Amino acid sequence: AQSVTQLGSHVSVSEGALVLLRCNYSSSVPPYLFWYVQYPNQGLQLLLKYTSAATLVKGINGFEAEFKKSETSFHLTKPSAHMSDAAEYFCAVSDGNDMRFGAGTRLTVKP
Amino acid sequence: DAGVIQSPRHEVTEMGQEVTLRCKPISGHNSLFWYRQTMMRGLELLIYFNNNVPIDDSGMPEDRFSAKMPNASFSTLKIQPSEPRDSAVYFCASRYRSGLATDTQYFGPGTRLTVL
Repeated sequence: AQSVTQLGSHVSVSEGALVLLRCNYSSSVPPYLFWYVQYPNQGLQLLLKYTSAATLVKGINGFEAEFKKSETSFHLTKPSAHMSDAAEYFCAVSDGNDMRFGAGTRLTVKP
Repeated sequence: DAGVIQSPRHEVTEMGQEVTLRCKPISGHNSLFWYRQTMMRGLELLIYFNNNVPIDDSGMPEDRFSAKMPNASFSTLKIQPSEPRDSAVYFCASRYRSGLATDTQYFGPGTRLTVL
């Protein structure tokens, strides 16, 4: 069975500050991991995904995530938060069949 | 590409009524997923299809829910009879299943269902 756990349902940062959203996974097979973002009243859109080609994955809007097998983690970071980053972020794991999502982390960016 | 299309975007109905949600996947995609999102339970996978065939419907809450995919370009999720606890945002997603676990799912904008 595969699953992801997102630590912190709400994260608040100041504009220009580092963004760190935490995700830990559990998988009996090599995991394929994703981060999605959901803006208000919209569907989810892909930020980035880990394909085993490189442990540091760069995505859209300046986000990146690092796969750490020893820590079973896939945390999402952005060096400098922008007001437009305010959204809900979902970590997900896939085994090639279906995809399991975490509970989501709502990011608030303060001016 | 128009992306995944869902209709209606909003639906308000009364308890006991039948509700049908519709989804048109991205052309060429061969897998389709139905999800439900609520504040209490987050994002839940209800059912998914590969090549129009239901593969896993273990997430369907109960017999009041049914889903069909008569062809590669159309799917429906039906609730009959509807209940207030079915109020949620329902998302459809599609992907091209190449056999790789890295295949990306593309989400529609969702249908916000309110059952009074």
